[in-house]
Amino acid sequence: GQNIDQPTEMTATEGAIVQINCTYQTSGFNGLFWYQQHAGEAPTFLSYNVLDGLEEKGRFSSFLSRSKGYSYLLLKELQMKDSASYLCAVEGYGGSQGNLIFGKGTKLSVKP
Amino acid sequence: EPEVTQTPSHQVTQMGQEVILRCVPISNHLYFYWYRQILGQKVEFLVSFYNNEISEKSEIFDDQFSVERPDGSNFTLKIRSTKLEDSAMYFCASSALSGETEAFFGQGTRLTVV
Repeated sequence: GQNIDQPTEMTATEGAIVQINCTYQTSGFNGLFWYQQHAGEAPTFLSYNVLDGLEEKGRFSSFLSRSKGYSYLLLKELQMKDSASYLCAVEGYGGSQGNLIFGKGTKLSVKP
Repeated sequence: EPEVTQTPSHQVTQMGQEVILRCVPISNHLYFYWYRQILGQKVEFLVSFYNNEISEKSEIFDDQFSVERPDGSNFTLKIRSTKLEDSAMYFCASSALSGETEAFFGQGTRLTVV
């Protein structure tokens, strides 16, 4: 089966650091993506992890532990425009590459 | 910057009618996808398409759904006889490779079935 869990909502302050966790249990796994989705808009790519460890990309970093079925997205120096939903997505559907299974998303609110 | 484009942005249809949602993937991409997102819910995979055939489909993608690449640029999703529960945002996506690479999403078509 496919199960991806992330917190429903989080709140953080402008300039701060926030960590959004994601745990997954899936039958097929090729890698893990994080997407950002502003309300009413399309998901946009943030990061991809296939190996264990940390991938850093500017203010955003993503971590993966395949053995623990766990990932997190770290956002530093938060800005108001970072208020959005953050979607954890596992690549692979029945082992197929390219197809994404999304979690329900974490709605992040950044406050002044 | 190249982008995936979808038309129309919003479609209202009566229950039982057929709808066709259109997408133009990024020109050098080879893998195409349809996802849907019911309001307030998660993004759900519908179908993937490569080399003019379906690669994978989810349980949602039943006989009411079909996809087609009628020419070298368009990629369409047809819903044969719409139901109220088909109301959702439908996203088209494309990628250059299968796996280990980002998928680019279009802005979506909001389908409302009344």
